[in-house]
Amino acid sequence: GENVEQHPSTLSVQEGDSAVIKCTYSDSASNYFPWYKQELGKRPQLIIDIRSNVGEKKDQRIAVTLNKTAKHFSLHITETQPEDSAVYFCASIIQGAQKLVFGQGTRLTINP
Amino acid sequence: DTAVSQTPKYLVTQMGNDKSIKCEQNLGHDTMYWYKQDSKKFLKIMFSYNNKELIINETVPNRFSPKSPDKAHLNLHINSLELGDSAVYFCASGNPGYEQYFGPGTRLTVT
Repeated sequence: GENVEQHPSTLSVQEGDSAVIKCTYSDSASNYFPWYKQELGKRPQLIIDIRSNVGEKKDQRIAVTLNKTAKHFSLHITETQPEDSAVYFCASIIQGAQKLVFGQGTRLTINP
Repeated sequence: DTAVSQTPKYLVTQMGNDKSIKCEQNLGHDTMYWYKQDSKKFLKIMFSYNNKELIINETVPNRFSPKSPDKAHLNLHINSLELGDSAVYFCASGNPGYEQYFGPGTRLTVT
């Protein structure tokens, strides 16, 4: 089955700097890659997603890149702000499958 | 107006008890899920129902029994609670291959 590895497990950056979180997946049939943000005590919420027919997607300060050959995808947050502090999860799903497989999560801390 | 709701938000109970968590979605999705999030924040799928039919059952002890009376509801009943069941349980709904919407979570504490 699909396996998703996420790194780093913790990340601390200075406010205003960029943050990058990386994930690798195992099944080349995976075709949908969402990123979720979970603030303390809250539910995971989708912040951006990408499909396998696209290499990059951007939404204001966040972007996701996908390298299908290497089977990895990354979340990029620029000009980080204190409210970006949260746990971020990547995930993937194999085309036609029912199960979204999550990475282990990255705890991002933005230092003022 | 909440998209995915679940009750209760907190549940504190003793070992050996039986408890239920309820989940409802008003998004019209065919598929609903139960996830367990442990203290290390790992999000692990437990069950998935598609239009009241069990689709995914991930090596969960049979003390856990989901029930879907209709496609807008997916409840989770847990028998003979154990200390290791303490976690946050999230309900979610969505269509496969698209965004999943999570409920607010139920923090279960077994003492």
